[in-house]
Amino acid sequence: GQSLEQPSEVTAVEGAIVQINCTYQTSGFYGLSWYQQHDGGAPTFLSYNALDGLEETGRFSSFLSRSDSYGYLLLQELQMKDSASYFCAAFYNQGGKLIFGQGTELSVKP
Amino acid sequence: DAGITQSPRHKVTETGTPVTLRCHQTENHRYMYWYRQDPGHGLRLIHYSYGVKDTDKGEVSDGYSVSRSKTEDFLLTLESATSSQTSVYFCAISRTSGDTTDTQYFGPGTRLTVL
Repeated sequence: GQSLEQPSEVTAVEGAIVQINCTYQTSGFYGLSWYQQHDGGAPTFLSYNALDGLEETGRFSSFLSRSDSYGYLLLQELQMKDSASYFCAAFYNQGGKLIFGQGTELSVKP
Repeated sequence: DAGITQSPRHKVTETGTPVTLRCHQTENHRYMYWYRQDPGHGLRLIHYSYGVKDTDKGEVSDGYSVSRSKTEDFLLTLESATSSQTSVYFCAISRTSGDTTDTQYFGPGTRLTVL
């Protein structure tokens, strides 16, 4: 089946840089999205990669390597408010269905 | 703000009772989705709809049915609730045309407890 793997938790300090990795299964893969969720609230969209390379949006960047079936979310200049769960989610084939990873809980310490 | 509301926001019910959750959107988006979120499982797709009366199953559809009689409303029904259906349920919409992918926007969630 289609599944995604990401670390369950990551801890970093304020001002640091953290990278959250995500590996996915290749068959039918279309593109990789990242979502943020605070305290069980509504997940919110962060970024989307359909092509290899880096997409930058402010302090957040996302990278995709289709040949390695791998992507990551890079968070720079960490702030306390970045403490949240981060999900990678892959589109497979067409039609807009997303398959989510289990989520990575990021804790930012002072 | 994608104009998505869910009702009820919280519900406690007993095993064996029917439950219907409602998702309402105000922007006439074609695609609507129901997910459940459980610890250790992330978000899992239950059912989705690609138009009025057009629905399809997701990863975890057993025990759930859906209906979409109007563009703006997508209903999720648990015909006979079980304790394993205790979860947080999220509705989402996307603007995808069906041939391309697009961002999904999520509602605030419904916390359902089945005793």
